[in-house]
Amino acid sequence: DIQMTQSPSTLSAYVGDRVTITCRASQSISNWLAWYQQKPGKAPKLLIYKAFNLESGVPSRFSGSGSGTEFTLTIRSLQPDDFATYYCQQYNTYWTFGQGTKVEIK
Amino acid sequence: QVQLVESGGGVVQPGRSLRLSCAASGFSFSTYAMHWVRQAPGKGLEWVAVIWFDGSRKHFADSVKGRFTISRDNANNTLYLQMNGLRAEDTAVYLCARGSEAFDMWGQGTMVSVSS
Repeated sequence: DIQMTQSPSTLSAYVGDRVTITCRASQSISNWLAWYQQKPGKAPKLLIYKAFNLESGVPSRFSGSGSGTEFTLTIRSLQPDDFATYYCQQYNTYWTFGQGTKVEIK
Repeated sequence: QVQLVESGGGVVQPGRSLRLSCAASGFSFSTYAMHWVRQAPGKGLEWVAVIWFDGSRKHFADSVKGRFTISRDNANNTLYLQMNGLRAEDTAVYLCARGSEAFDMWGQGTMVSVSS
């Protein structure tokens, strides 16, 4: 099974900060990686698919990069609505989620 | 309206069974692979099971293999999860999701609590 490891687990930041979350796969997954945002009590929302493709309607301050085993999600200028938990997910071989990164207000 | 709506959750004793449903509307259900994902209280997302668009293929997480089954009724746009031999560690919100690759649509979830 492919394991996904996110870092950090928690991130404290100010509005306007540039934020980067890293996701590492236990083996190469090419670019079969998605990023989701989840707010408390809500369903996850797809942000990025196939490593760097922005889902329709998602603000352009979100971007994804990487391939193989290392990936990043970057939020260019953190907005109040962005404080949430973010998950990566591989879909190279079935599906696996990372453990999540909570982005908190500093 | 394009949506997924789960139902069937509740409180159940260890070892008992429960069947969850996910009603789809507003899109061509029979052309999408469908999934169940769960989230234990205060924890992250765990993928549970997938069924291909035509029901021809199914796959399960190791944590539920042999206990859970997934099925679908394309005529009635409904996805199911039959959960047998429930354990305390199966306590979670169960969400259905759409997608052959990334999951672009999710339901709001139904809570399953396994407790004596």
